[in-house]
Amino acid sequence: TQLLEQSPQFLSIQEGENLTVYCNSSSVFSSLQWYRQEPGEGPVLLVTVVTGGEVKKLKRLTFQFGDARKDSSLHITAAQTGDTGLYLCAGVDNAGNMLTFGGGTRLMVKP
Amino acid sequence: ETGVTQTPRHLVMGMTNKKSLKCEQHLGHNAMYWYKQSAKKPLELMFVYSLEERVENNSVPSRFSPECPNSSHLFLHLHTLQPEDSALYLCASSQGIQGNYGYTFGSGTRLTVV
Repeated sequence: TQLLEQSPQFLSIQEGENLTVYCNSSSVFSSLQWYRQEPGEGPVLLVTVVTGGEVKKLKRLTFQFGDARKDSSLHITAAQTGDTGLYLCAGVDNAGNMLTFGGGTRLMVKP
Repeated sequence: ETGVTQTPRHLVMGMTNKKSLKCEQHLGHNAMYWYKQSAKKPLELMFVYSLEERVENNSVPSRFSPECPNSSHLFLHLHTLQPEDSALYLCASSQGIQGNYGYTFGSGTRLTVV
């Protein structure tokens, strides 16, 4: 079983601050996805990264896939209260099997 | 309607009750999933259906019984549940069973067993 560890587990910051959350594994993934789950809702796919070293931007969110495709990071610039939620990373192994989800980072952005 | 729809949104049931959770997707996807999300635990995959055939059953107790009558509908039948089964139950669908398609999740059913 491939494990994905996310850190930190919890993060509470003020509006306007920057933050980075991490998704790490000892296994190689063919691709990695990031989801955001808002309170009372299901996770929503934000981005998929496929190539080692790939960087994708979604407005104030920057996603990076590690060169060795074992880890990923999500950086949020000037966080807003609407960024509050649970951020989940999920990896696909090289056989293209079903997603393996990490434990998530719960982010709270205070006004 | 679009996306993945789950009903009911909230359910309170006694340990001797029988109830069913319903999931419907209007995306033309071929794979559907049931996940359990408990506080402070990662998402737990319960069941996977591909083209209406069950392809994964992750050692789930028999008090949970899935049903997939067609590629658009998925049910989770519940009976004789325990308080520790209280959780958010999420349904998801994807274009194919390979993970790289990404999943579309419903809003979940918040289940409380009393």
